[in-house]
Amino acid sequence: EVQLVESGGGLVQPGRSLKLSCAASGFTFSNYYMAWVRQAPKKGLEWVATISTSGSRTYYPDSVKGRFTISRDNAKSSLYLQMNSLKSEDTATYYCARHDDYWGQGVMVTVSS
Amino acid sequence: DIQMTQSPSFLSASVGDRVTINCKASQNINRYLNWYQQKLGEAPKLLIYNANSLQTGIPSRFSGSGSGTDFTLTISSLQPEDVATYFCLQHNSWPNTFGAGTKLELK
Repeated sequence: EVQLVESGGGLVQPGRSLKLSCAASGFTFSNYYMAWVRQAPKKGLEWVATISTSGSRTYYPDSVKGRFTISRDNAKSSLYLQMNSLKSEDTATYYCARHDDYWGQGVMVTVSS
Repeated sequence: DIQMTQSPSFLSASVGDRVTINCKASQNINRYLNWYQQKLGEAPKLLIYNANSLQTGIPSRFSGSGSGTDFTLTISSLQPEDVATYFCLQHNSWPNTFGAGTKLELK
């Protein structure tokens, strides 16, 4: 069974940093592109980042480019999202996703002073 | 970025009804369109990928159609457990973009 378990969320002040983690199991992690997707409260979904199987290629929308960094450790079947210079508009539930099929339960990030 | 216009935003239907939800892309996305179901407090679940392929384990009452810019998700006979929000995702061009969602409730 595919399982994706996010951690690392919480309350953080504007301008600070936070790192999310995602522990994957139930599939061969190194064979799949992985992604982070977010959903702001009562808002739609936004694709935040994608990383290739080896980690050599990453993709970000303009809204987070230069502030967020996606990375992975295939030996640990883990995905990460380093979020810097956080803004109030980054407040959302962040989902770890196996490419575009399986999603985790999500972790809440609140950016507020 | 490709804009995905999803309609309706809200839908009320009875058990056994045929339900259709639409997504329109602002440009050609071929068949690179997925449909997801999200129940309250749960992770989104993939229903249909690449416009018309049923994900493993999803009931056959769910189906998808379309190509190019216009796509449809159909539930052939609505069941109580289908109460959820449904949204589409285009993955033809980066960045991937979502429809705004359709909240489906029972009448």
